[in-house]
Amino acid sequence: EVQLVESGGGLIQPGGSLRLSCTVSGFTFRSFAMSWVRQAPGKGLEWVSYIRSSGNTIRYADSVKGRFTIAADNAKNSLDLQMNSLRVEDTAVYYCARGNGSMGGAMDVWGQGTTVTVSS
Amino acid sequence: DIQMTQSPSSLSASVGDRVTITCRASQSISTYLNWYQHKPGKAPEILIYGVSNLQSGVPSRFSGSGSGTLFTLTISSLQPEDFATYYCQQSYTTPVYTFGQGTKLEI
Repeated sequence: EVQLVESGGGLIQPGGSLRLSCTVSGFTFRSFAMSWVRQAPGKGLEWVSYIRSSGNTIRYADSVKGRFTIAADNAKNSLDLQMNSLRVEDTAVYYCARGNGSMGGAMDVWGQGTTVTVSS
Repeated sequence: DIQMTQSPSSLSASVGDRVTITCRASQSISTYLNWYQHKPGKAPEILIYGVSNLQSGVPSRFSGSGSGTLFTLTISSLQPEDFATYYCQQSYTTPVYTFGQGTKLEI
């Protein structure tokens, strides 16, 4: 079964750091692109970051550039998002999602999400 | 950057109704347009990719159309489980994606 499971969310003070992880199973991790997508309270979906480890391609949304770092561990089948200098506006549910090239890049598999709350 | 604008932002409808949601891109995205359904507390789910391709397992009452900059999602006969928020997304500029702001479909 294809599955994505996020972990690492929690309550953190502004300026702090947090590392999210997404464990992948049921497919060959290095054959797909992966993204992080978030939803702030009362807001819509926002793409955050992308990685395609096979081609060394990484991108970030402007809102997180310079503060967040995405990484993939093909041996462990896991995707990480290191979040530094966290702001109140980073409060959101964070989802990892698989991008499927045969579907024009559409995100065909999603995790259940992990909640990050940035508050003093 | 490509902006995606959905209309309406919210929509009230009844079981059995036919509803249409519109998504407009700020520039041409060819056929790289996808639709997702999102229910509270659950993971988003893909409904349609590449404008009109129904994801496996998605009921045939969902359909998509359009090209270039204007796209629509149509639900032919609303069912109780369809009440959710719907998002369009452009993947034309992958690895950078953009979502529409969402359309909340309410009873």
